[in-house]
Amino acid sequence: DSGVTQTPKHLITATGQRVTLRCSPRSGDLSVYWYQQSLDQGLQFLIQYYNGEERAKGNILERFSAQQFPDLHSELNLSSLELGDSALYFCASSFGRQETQYFGPGTRLLVL
Amino acid sequence: AQTVTQSQPEMSVQEAETVTLSCTYDTSESDYYLFWYKQPPSRQMILVIRQEAYKQQNATENRFSVNFQKAAKSFSLKISDSQLGDAAMYFCAYRSAETSGSRLTFGEGTQLTVNP
Repeated sequence: DSGVTQTPKHLITATGQRVTLRCSPRSGDLSVYWYQQSLDQGLQFLIQYYNGEERAKGNILERFSAQQFPDLHSELNLSSLELGDSALYFCASSFGRQETQYFGPGTRLLVL
Repeated sequence: AQTVTQSQPEMSVQEAETVTLSCTYDTSESDYYLFWYKQPPSRQMILVIRQEAYKQQNATENRFSVNFQKAAKSFSLKISDSQLGDAAMYFCAYRSAETSGSRLTFGEGTQLTVNP
């Protein structure tokens, strides 16, 4: 157990819908990262937050957004969902920007 | 942009034997970190080992060790005394120590099978 929690574990929804994925970092970790793992794109970095502020953006679609709250948990919002958004979404956390990232169990999203 | 390449999509090893997984990367930076993560069938991403580029000594963690060749931009993982529980997808990952962001860039992965 890495200490990073993600909810829900599984999510099935329809095209055009909006979902919110939640992540709680390890106790004391200030950085949260979101990654997407899909069959065709592999593991891709989406976005990073550090102590509530956005620090880096990767290949994140405009339909996707994220935020980190004062209690340091983070949410990834996916809207206008498409079939191609079906993937495993990981959250990872680290204490600082340069520390090792520990991953949560992931949220499996299936868009039908 | 940095890239990470794992040229072996699949590897197999006999239980108790040794196997080496290959990884190469491309970067113009001099300060960075390299990682191996393991993803078993549960899909959980588990850190196996970490190497700082400024350290010449190769990292080791119990049965896992790396061969870090900075000039060749090579970072292979050696698993000794392979166990059935080592069967998983293994990802090599790069992280810059120079830029403000700390994203991980992953390779495509190597699926390791351990035969009893």
